[in-house]
Amino acid sequence: EVQLVESGGGLVKPGESLRLSCAASRFSFNNAWMSWVRQAPGKGLEWVGRFKSGTAEYGAPVKGRFTISGDDSKNTLYLQMSSLKTEDTAIYYCAAIDNGNDYWGQGTLVTVSS
Amino acid sequence: QAVVTQEPSLTVSPGGTVTLTCGSSTGAVTGRHYAYWFQQKPGHAPRTLIYDTSIKHSWTPARFSASLLGGKAALTLSGAQPEDEAEYYCLLSYSGARVFGGGTKLTVL
Repeated sequence: EVQLVESGGGLVKPGESLRLSCAASRFSFNNAWMSWVRQAPGKGLEWVGRFKSGTAEYGAPVKGRFTISGDDSKNTLYLQMSSLKTEDTAIYYCAAIDNGNDYWGQGTLVTVSS
Repeated sequence: QAVVTQEPSLTVSPGGTVTLTCGSSTGAVTGRHYAYWFQQKPGHAPRTLIYDTSIKHSWTPARFSASLLGGKAALTLSGAQPEDEAEYYCLLSYSGARVFGGGTKLTVL
């Protein structure tokens, strides 16, 4: 069974940085698009971005502040978040939804508050 | 960034038919937007029902279908079941980015 496990969430202050990780098991994301999707408490889904083989795409609310990368040797996806704002507070999901895939992690909560 | 619009809420009777739509602020939704439809139930991660406009996953119940309709992406549920009560999100692709709609809360009542 494919598993995506996010980690690294927590409480940070506005302006600070945080790095999330997504470890994949029984799924190789080498040459697969891997996405980050977030959901603020009680709100809808928001596309953060996706990454494949060194290429990253970003949603407008995070472009320039967030960086997505991957380590094929560790089968791990990363989301480096900088200059965090209170509106970045959300559950962050790692997901593989391209090319007929549909795998999601359980999500990790990021809270940005002073 | 483009804005993707969905009906905030819809209600359907058990056994009834309902169509959810997904529009784009940039104009008509076409096959090049590769529309996705997701179902999310409270406390759970989303699940993909439809990708690339109309392709179903193996787990997608036959009562769900999707298409382009009147310049929008559309998800039609025919023969609604109580377990279909959920939030539904569409996702559209634009060159270099993707955007979710605000979601439709579907009530089966």
